[in-house]
Amino acid sequence: KQEVTQIPAALSVPEGENLVLNCSFTDSAIYNLQWFRQDPGKGLTSLLLIQSSQREQTSGRLNASLDKSSGRSTLYIAASQPGDSATYLCAVNDYKLSFGAGTTVTVRA
Amino acid sequence: DAGVIQSPRHEVTEMGQEVTLRCKPISGHDYLFWYRQTMMRGLELLIYFNNNVPIDDSGMPEDRFSAKMPNASFSTLKIQPSEPRDSAVYFCASSLVGGLSDEKLFFGSGTQLSVL
Repeated sequence: KQEVTQIPAALSVPEGENLVLNCSFTDSAIYNLQWFRQDPGKGLTSLLLIQSSQREQTSGRLNASLDKSSGRSTLYIAASQPGDSATYLCAVNDYKLSFGAGTTVTVRA
Repeated sequence: DAGVIQSPRHEVTEMGQEVTLRCKPISGHDYLFWYRQTMMRGLELLIYFNNNVPIDDSGMPEDRFSAKMPNASFSTLKIQPSEPRDSAVYFCASSLVGGLSDEKLFFGSGTQLSVL
């Protein structure tokens, strides 16, 4: 069974600092990996999707890397802003999506 | 498009009562998923449908849970009878394609269920 782990569980940084969020998974036979954002009381919004053949994917200030062989993905958020405060979840697709527990980010103004 | 629409947003009920959660997927999406989110277990897939047909219900916790999709624009998740341990946020999500695809998943805002 696929196990997805996200470390740290929570992170607090001052505005402007770069964020690094980690995701690890136990079975490297994945099809793709997605990073989601969840705001309090809201659903999840897909941020980035990386195919298993890709090493990274970028969207604006967000960059996600994937090392399938080692079972790791990292989400980088450059120049963080208070509006980036949310919970970030990664999900691996090995036919079904398996989610990590998330990293709750607080960006202090 | 209005996105995935769930109702109600909040539901408070007493143990033993029947609860029905509703979902309208994004028009044209062939796959619909029901998830449950709790602090202890995170996000769990309960069941998913393809073209209105249930494909995998292995995540449904007990016979008290049932889900239907009578047409492409409507699905329900029913709990009968409800128990306090069913308290959670229930999400509905839809996608154009499921399984091994690069189609993103779109989530509704969820239903916060509290069973007293």
